[in-house]
Formats: sequence, structure tokens, C-alpha cells
Amino acid sequence: QLQLQESGPGLVKPSETLSLTCTVSGGSISSSSYYWGWIRQPPGKGLEWIGSIYYSGSTYYNPSFKSRVTISVDTSKNQFSLKLSSVTAADTAVYYCARVKDYGGNYLYWYFDLWGRGTLVTVSS
Amino acid sequence: QSVLTQPPSVSGAPGQRVSISCTGSSSNIGAGYDVHWYQQLPGIAPKLLIYGNSNRPSGVPDRFSGSKSGTSASLAITGLQAEDEADYYCQSYDSSLSGRLVFGGGTKLTVL
Repeated sequence: QLQLQESGPGLVKPSETLSLTCTVSGGSISSSSYYWGWIRQPPGKGLEWIGSIYYSGSTYYNPSFKSRVTISVDTSKNQFSLKLSSVTAADTAVYYCARVKDYGGNYLYWYFDLWGRGTLVTVSS
Repeated sequence: QSVLTQPPSVSGAPGQRVSISCTGSSSNIGAGYDVHWYQQLPGIAPKLLIYGNSNRPSGVPDRFSGSKSGTSASLAITGLQAEDEADYYCQSYDSSLSGRLVFGGGTKLTVL
């Protein structure tokens, strides 16, 4: 049974870079028809898609984050990672990694069919 | 302000039927893009409930159903149970701002 697990610092200082890794177990990150994504949820608020990556390295980012975000993949470790630069208190959130089902060949046809448990990242000095 | 609008809360008694709406515009649901629904139990990661407007993943009870019409979509839950108390989110694609995946603001379902 495939599982995803987020890891990384729970506290990041303002203006620094938030870095998280998602480890995929029980299956290969190199599966076709699936992308891998990051979604966040500020405390008490709704969900926000950050971006997604294919095992080949092809990426799609939410334009709201595009200047600050980098998502990468390491197929040898079955992991993908998120870097978000120049963070502020507004970036405090639970960050989820998820498997993205692509059923139509582009991201018009994506949904998140499996989620990690999430990790809380607080931005504070 | 979410691109997809959901009511902040709905409620119903056990056994009743409730419906949660997700209202969009011509750049998302109205353009024909599919809608997907997620259930988030308290303190837990979201779980896929409905994909492609009306399809249930394996293991999701048939008490949950989805539909789409025009610029809106709906999630219906029949035979309400206490364990259904959760937050529900819709998700779709929006073609504005160079294109992005978007979520509704979420609806808190309370089982009375």
C-alpha cells in the first residue's frame, strides 16, 4: 500500500527558505499517469495547491507561488521536495504532499488521490 | 477569497440528506472542467471522495454522490451518519492567471 510521508523543519525564520521532502513508500515514484504535488493549509483555513512534478522532472506551479517555489524529484530515493523562498508569517501552514492522478494528459485533468499526513511549518523568528 | 465558493457550514440530523454546493465561473466549472471532492476529518489529511464530477473511488460509500451543472457542482450525502461530520472541499482547474488548480473554501458539515 503506497504511503507518503513529509519531513523537514517545523520552524523557519522569516525571509529564509522552507524546505520539505516527501518520501514515497510501497510503490514507485516513477509510475506513469501520476504526478506528485504539494498542497498547504494555513491554520483554520482552506487548501491551496502549490505545485506538482512528474518523475521526469516536469513541473507545474501555482502562479501565486511561481517566483518563490521550486519542486524537485529524486527517483533514486523515491522522494520529491519543496523549496519555498523568502517566507513570511503568511506561509505558516500544514504542508501536505500528495499523489496526483492525471486522467487526461494535462493538468486540466488532475486530482489528488492519496495524501500524506501533513507537517506543520511555522514561520517565526 | 476562493475562486470556488462553498457555504461555510451545513448541518443535518442523522439519516437525513444534505447537499454542499460549489459555485464557480466561466473560467473553471463553467468552462467544463471537472470537479473533485475531498473529505477532511478533524485533524486528519484530506481524503478523495468524488473524482470527475460524479465518480466514487473504491471504498467510498454510495451515500456520497456528486453532480455538476453549468457553473456549479454539488456533493450530496444521504443517510447522514455521525462519522460524516467533517470539512468538505471541492477542487477544479481554473484557466485564469495562466492556469492553476483551485479549491473551494471548504464547508463544515455538522451532524446534529
